[in-house]
Amino acid sequence: DAKTTQPPSMDCAEGRAANLPCNHSTISGNEYVYWYRQIHSQGPQYIIHGLKNNETNEMASLIITEDRKSSTLILPHATLRDTAVYYCTRHSLNSGYSTLTFGKGTMLLVSP
Amino acid sequence: DAGITQSPRYKITETGRQVTLMCHQTWSHSYMFWYRQDLGHGLRLIYYSAAADITDKGEVPDGYVVSRSKTENFPLTLESATRSQTSVYFCASSELGGPSYEQYFGPGTRLTVT
Repeated sequence: DAKTTQPPSMDCAEGRAANLPCNHSTISGNEYVYWYRQIHSQGPQYIIHGLKNNETNEMASLIITEDRKSSTLILPHATLRDTAVYYCTRHSLNSGYSTLTFGKGTMLLVSP
Repeated sequence: DAGITQSPRYKITETGRQVTLMCHQTWSHSYMFWYRQDLGHGLRLIYYSAAADITDKGEVPDGYVVSRSKTENFPLTLESATRSQTSVYFCASSELGGPSYEQYFGPGTRLTVT
């Protein structure tokens, strides 16, 4: 998605926190920030989303800057199974339906 | 098992043939979506449905037909398959259609048109 910018790849050691950044400087006030991931040969998997406030669930934490121009997905204790492509996307209302657009994402490699 | 399933998982067909990809969800979600994923294009919306008997076009609907007679099923038909429709197809569902509702994806169907 040209409206979000992510590093193409990142490495993380197993057991350490993985911090994945995303720039979405043109996000509008009613657009949510969403994170999905796609493990090889599987369908995209929802992780977390937020509008303004930081969010946490059983999978991850989402930190959104106060100006909403960027966010960081945090996987607190990365495991080998977290190796995947992580997509930061914006969920917009477009002509009456909600649309997701995935860009190239960040390939996270978790190593032993 | 609860969730969203797609069938077949893999399909090879010839140019000009009709192909139907099936999608079934057990959550009674109102919204269902069909996406295709291609290298260099990311994920693109083909069609979506807000409820049974309500469907509408997405970004790339040409060459595809959908129907939704039951809430839980959302089949996608390629009326006359072309090589450009070789892709991985994902079905997704969400409880409602607003931007605060996450989408849940099926495992995908890898379609090859020869």
